[in-house]
Amino acid sequence: QKEVEQDPGPLSVPEGAIVSLNCTYSNSAFQYFMWYRQYSRKGPELLMYTYSSGNKEDGRFTAQVDKSSKYISLFIRDSQPSDSATYLCAMSPPGTYKYIFGTGTRLKVLA
Amino acid sequence: ETGVTQTPRHLVMGMTNKKSLKCEQHLGHNAMYWYKQSAKKPLELMFVYNFKEQTENNSVPSRFSPECPNSSHLFLHLHTLQPEDSALYLCASSQEMGEQFFGPGTRLTVL
Repeated sequence: QKEVEQDPGPLSVPEGAIVSLNCTYSNSAFQYFMWYRQYSRKGPELLMYTYSSGNKEDGRFTAQVDKSSKYISLFIRDSQPSDSATYLCAMSPPGTYKYIFGTGTRLKVLA
Repeated sequence: ETGVTQTPRHLVMGMTNKKSLKCEQHLGHNAMYWYKQSAKKPLELMFVYNFKEQTENNSVPSRFSPECPNSSHLFLHLHTLQPEDSALYLCASSQEMGEQFFGPGTRLTVL
């Protein structure tokens, strides 16, 4: 079993839809969680960084962590064609530089 | 320059060549990372440096040789690579074990 599981997609949604992107993980020691957006031929861009459980909101983006279910989500409200990209989750236990990444979910927002 | 920069952006090399990738961070961070990104695979951590000291070496073949002369610069020296080493090589930096910020990557093709 992989430490981090992420559906590769592609996920296609109409413009304006609410998008839900998810990752599951197996290591209960993970405490730090990140979401990145990566456009084609570019480096990953950090969107959200959260610690432990709960929600964090930034503009149209909300990150949610459910440690009891070992499940994290990224919600995108009012999705735009410019949100079309690959979204990567990453997570880490405390006391290490080593983050484990998911394979990424490819999102297409259709105009 | 801002953020994390990488040069060159594209590199084509033969299996007998020697080349180097360069990364520079302008964020005042103390940790720097090399990752390999291949199609349909999660980001693979290769090396981590904290305050110029290597703290992680993720069983990377010796044909990849990192160098970190100071906390702002990181190099990846390449020699006698194989075609399967073709990938996007990403550099990142962080303050301690916090969120990681990535550069744009070097697209490497080994012929």
